[in-house]
Amino acid sequence: DAGITQSPRHKVTETGTPVTLRCHQTENHRYMYWYRQDPGHGLRLIHYSYGVKDTDKGEVSDGYSVSRSKTEDFLLTLESATSSQTSVYFCAISGSSWGAGELFFGEGSRLTVL
Amino acid sequence: KQEVTQIPAALSVPEGENLVLNCSFTDSAIYNLQWFRQDPGKGLTSLLLIQSSQREQTSGRLNASLDKSSGRSTLYIAASQPGDSATYLCATRSQGGSEKLVFGKGTKLTVNP
Repeated sequence: DAGITQSPRHKVTETGTPVTLRCHQTENHRYMYWYRQDPGHGLRLIHYSYGVKDTDKGEVSDGYSVSRSKTEDFLLTLESATSSQTSVYFCAISGSSWGAGELFFGEGSRLTVL
Repeated sequence: KQEVTQIPAALSVPEGENLVLNCSFTDSAIYNLQWFRQDPGKGLTSLLLIQSSQREQTSGRLNASLDKSSGRSTLYIAASQPGDSATYLCATRSQGGSEKLVFGKGTKLTVNP
């Protein structure tokens, strides 16, 4: 158990509404990541963080923002959700201080945008 | 741009069989490679991490090998069991310790009793 909790686990929302997903870790790791998983596309990196208030974009960052005000929490926000953002979102942490170590994943948050 | 391919996309075997799952990548300049399993509706569980300097890693009935020059990794599962049924994914990290892993789309394994 890598000590990663995602919330909510399931959410249904309407187009145009804001949505925030939360990732909480108990491991005190520096690096945290948000991925989305879609059929036919596999796992794609949205954003990642390498410390408090230090974040960077991944390959599919458009329409998403992130924040990290505490080591243990990494928030993913969809400012105005669209149907194309219907997906399963996974948070991950890196089991090393430099971010290139073994990756551990949370259980996922399934988001449906109607 | 790194591309990671896993073939076949699905595999069905009888219980007890030894099997090999394949992962190929286009850029051999990797820092490490990680194998995961994913059960339906669940997150990814890390199985093995192989550093670029290593040729193989073992954990229980699992053995992962890495051949950077040919751009291939294999995951060997000995004496397969129905509980091994899951989707297996591999992911590479580029040299320099890039934060970005590139994932394959996985092989869905079914082990029949």
